[in-house]
Amino acid sequence: AQSVTQLDSHVSVSEGTPVLLRCNYSSSYSPSLFWYVQHPNKGLQLLLKYTSAATLVKGINGFEAEFKKSETSFHLTKPSAHMSDAAEYFCVVSRNLGGHTGFQKLVFGTGTRLLVSP
Amino acid sequence: DAGVIQSPRHEVTEMGQEVTLRCKPISGHNSLFWYRQTMMRGLELLIYFNNNVPIDDSGMPEDRFSAKMPNASFSTLKIQPSEPRDSAVYFCASSLRDRGSDTEAFFGQGTRLTVV
Repeated sequence: AQSVTQLDSHVSVSEGTPVLLRCNYSSSYSPSLFWYVQHPNKGLQLLLKYTSAATLVKGINGFEAEFKKSETSFHLTKPSAHMSDAAEYFCVVSRNLGGHTGFQKLVFGTGTRLLVSP
Repeated sequence: DAGVIQSPRHEVTEMGQEVTLRCKPISGHNSLFWYRQTMMRGLELLIYFNNNVPIDDSGMPEDRFSAKMPNASFSTLKIQPSEPRDSAVYFCASSLRDRGSDTEAFFGQGTRLTVV
């Protein structure tokens, strides 16, 4: 079954320094992977998605992620953190519902809270 | 487009009462999802509709929970009777299923439910 593991529950960085949020996936086939961001008291917003095209995926707000099959990883990075990046980030894998329906559902990781200090 | 619209944003109710959460998906989307978010369990898919038909309801906790989608522009999630452990943020999301795959899921702002 497809699943994701977010290795850090909290990550703290200083403004202007790089961001690395780690995610490892488990999948029996080539997965679709996503990163979503949730700001306090807000809904979830898609940052970027990987669907078996280019392994380096660029998203909104300067974020990018690299799909590494050999490491089963899909880490999220940003060269320089901004105060507005403080939020919760979710790594997500798309999982088949089973049978021959072709329907898939999003399976969320436990989230990583990014804290940005001045 | 206004995005996925959920109502109410906040709901406080007494244990045993019926609670109805509402969702209006993005116009043109044909897939709709209800998720629940808690500190203990994170984000869990409760039910998934496609073309107004429930495809997967294996995440619905128990018979107290029911969801309907009478038309393409409206869905409800009902809890009866409600219990304190149902307190959570409930998200609705919609996407467009095209050629056998779903596009990006767009989430509403959520309904924060507190059962006292």
